[in-house]
Amino acid sequence: KAGVTQTPRYLIKTRGQQVTLSCSPISGHRSVSWYQQTPGQGLQFLFEYFSETQRNKGNFPGRFSGRQFSNSRSEMNVSTLELGDSALYLCASSFPTSPLYPNTGELFFGEGSRLTVL
Amino acid sequence: LAKITQPISMDSYEGQEVNITCSHNNIATNDYITWYQQFPSQGPRFIIQGYKTKVTNEVASLFIPADRKSSTLSLPRVSLSDTAVYYCLVGDVRDTGRRALTFGSGTRLQVQP
Repeated sequence: KAGVTQTPRYLIKTRGQQVTLSCSPISGHRSVSWYQQTPGQGLQFLFEYFSETQRNKGNFPGRFSGRQFSNSRSEMNVSTLELGDSALYLCASSFPTSPLYPNTGELFFGEGSRLTVL
Repeated sequence: LAKITQPISMDSYEGQEVNITCSHNNIATNDYITWYQQFPSQGPRFIIQGYKTKVTNEVASLFIPADRKSSTLSLPRVSLSDTAVYYCLVGDVRDTGRRALTFGSGTRLQVQP
């Protein structure tokens, strides 16, 4: 079973530009969440999508946005990039919560997209 | 959101048992405690999850006292390959979308030969 795939793995942008990162979840997983990881702030929750709907959002400015498609693939976008946006962006997928299919709660992470803003 | 505290780093030797404690004083009733392991340039990987008392799997044990305000990840007989960063995660993972998940700051475990 293929794991979570994130593209691109590495990218370099300059301040003011925008970036779009892509995440393909494990087949059958309908929940996708995004995280920012930096040496100073650690792992921080950005947002989560389930069945194309944003279910929750972390404490990040509106420059950070995302969406989920009908095939559960997800994208996140960061507009007007700042130096502080340099980070590893991680995507995780999980099996949906349902009375018929109990969710173990395990998050399956991709290897991340490392963004450098110059 | 839960406030989570972990030791920044720990050192051990091969073959020893390592216990990493996570403090989560304001854990909510529906929150679970999950531990993840992360190697450089990789995403975190699930180790173990629990709600209360003790949980054991093939790689680790998780001890959670009755008040659930802390938890301890126990790694038996560590090896060099266990050198990694370990994250404690507190949140209602079984109810996706209602709460943001909070990670601890991570504990860097260094295993020496």
